[in-house]
Amino acid sequence: QKEVEQDPGPLSVPEGAIVSLNCTYSNSAFQYFMWYRQYSRKGPELLMYTYSSGNKEDGRFTAQVDKSSKYISLFIRDSQPSDSATYLCAISWNFNKFYFGSGTKLNVKP
Amino acid sequence: GAVVSQHPSRVICKSGTSVKIECRSLDFQATTMFWYRQFPKQSLMLMATSNEGSKATYEQGVEKDKFLINHASLTLSTLTVTSAHPEDSSFYICSAGSTQGNEQFFGPGTRLTVL
Repeated sequence: QKEVEQDPGPLSVPEGAIVSLNCTYSNSAFQYFMWYRQYSRKGPELLMYTYSSGNKEDGRFTAQVDKSSKYISLFIRDSQPSDSATYLCAISWNFNKFYFGSGTKLNVKP
Repeated sequence: GAVVSQHPSRVICKSGTSVKIECRSLDFQATTMFWYRQFPKQSLMLMATSNEGSKATYEQGVEKDKFLINHASLTLSTLTVTSAHPEDSSFYICSAGSTQGNEQFFGPGTRLTVL
């Protein structure tokens, strides 16, 4: 069983829509949960990270962790064409080793 | 945020040659650097973890004699793909962990094409 699973998409939404991206993970011991955005042929850039459970908001982005369900989510409000990218979730015990999801490709249509 | 650079950004080489990729943390000291490999439309696969001044720790299935990693200083790690073959063609990405240990910063990646 993989440590983290992510629906690869692609996900296509109209501009302004609310986007929901999700991952599930296998081991409840994971404590750090990250979301990265990767544009084509570029390295990933960190969007948000969350420690343990709960929500974290940053502008149009909200990260949510449900440790009881081993489920993490990223919500994007008022999505823009510039949000079109691949979104990767990542989990870690201690920031020393990350396990990445396969990435969800998002396309926001103008 | 912290900046990590990689050089070169793209390299094309003939089969059998060796290629060196550099990863530098530009504005912070990185006690740990990580090397990933990413195939098209797939996620990042951790290849190895390197700590400054010590031998790298390789993930299962990664040939350490083929992918030589050197972490000579707190700001530089290199990955050398020895005797490269077409199946080594991939996108190689490094990341650097800060001394505070609470984040990883990714480089822009190096696209290797072996003919």
